[in-house]
Amino acid sequence: GEEVAQTPKHLVRGEGQKAKLYCAPIKGHSYVFWYQQVLKNEFKFLISFQNENVFDETGMPKERFSAKCLPNSPCSLEIQATKLEDSAVYFCASSQTGYGNTIYFGEGSWLTVV
Amino acid sequence: GQQVMQIPQYQHVQEGEDFTTYCNSSTTLSNIQWYKQRPGGHPVFLIQLVKSGEVKKQKRLTFQFGEAKKNSSLHITATQTTDVGTYFCAVPLIQGAQKLVFGQGTRLTINP
Repeated sequence: GEEVAQTPKHLVRGEGQKAKLYCAPIKGHSYVFWYQQVLKNEFKFLISFQNENVFDETGMPKERFSAKCLPNSPCSLEIQATKLEDSAVYFCASSQTGYGNTIYFGEGSWLTVV
Repeated sequence: GQQVMQIPQYQHVQEGEDFTTYCNSSTTLSNIQWYKQRPGGHPVFLIQLVKSGEVKKQKRLTFQFGEAKKNSSLHITATQTTDVGTYFCAVPLIQGAQKLVFGQGTRLTINP
């Protein structure tokens, strides 16, 4: 497709529950990125993929966060045992070649942990 | 790690006034990108600057890249209510790779 498609748009989870977000990158784009944006507006990088391979996961809180990009499936970001501070908008983005290239953002998935 | 400082954090103007946001880095940048995020929306790419001293214009928006490639600015002439949103600069991280580091953003509000 011509846009990054993210689902769901909104998700509410009780503290300790699991949350899973999905992202379909733009067709032909090799790189996928996940960013977390909290109310302060700052973007926190979580993880990037080159095709199905993890490229950079330096931003991931590994004990509870995991992500995958499998062939012929939407990419996913999963949070086990959500915490209140996980409440944020999670943006997926994709780019054609990665470094220095324009990245295109999806509309985001708004996660609220209560 | 690579960091970029963006100021101001907030700017409120009367419609028709000009607006400028600045980004500064302590290191030389290979390029800098600018994004706009409307309230409740997602970041939308505006432009990429690559060359030292580069100036690019998009209608009422003027983007500049410093001679030393360490700073950049976005200037909006005669703001309109449609300009409301948060403007972010973003720079590619050299170490690691394949990710953008975003500035803190400047939130622009406009009094009609």
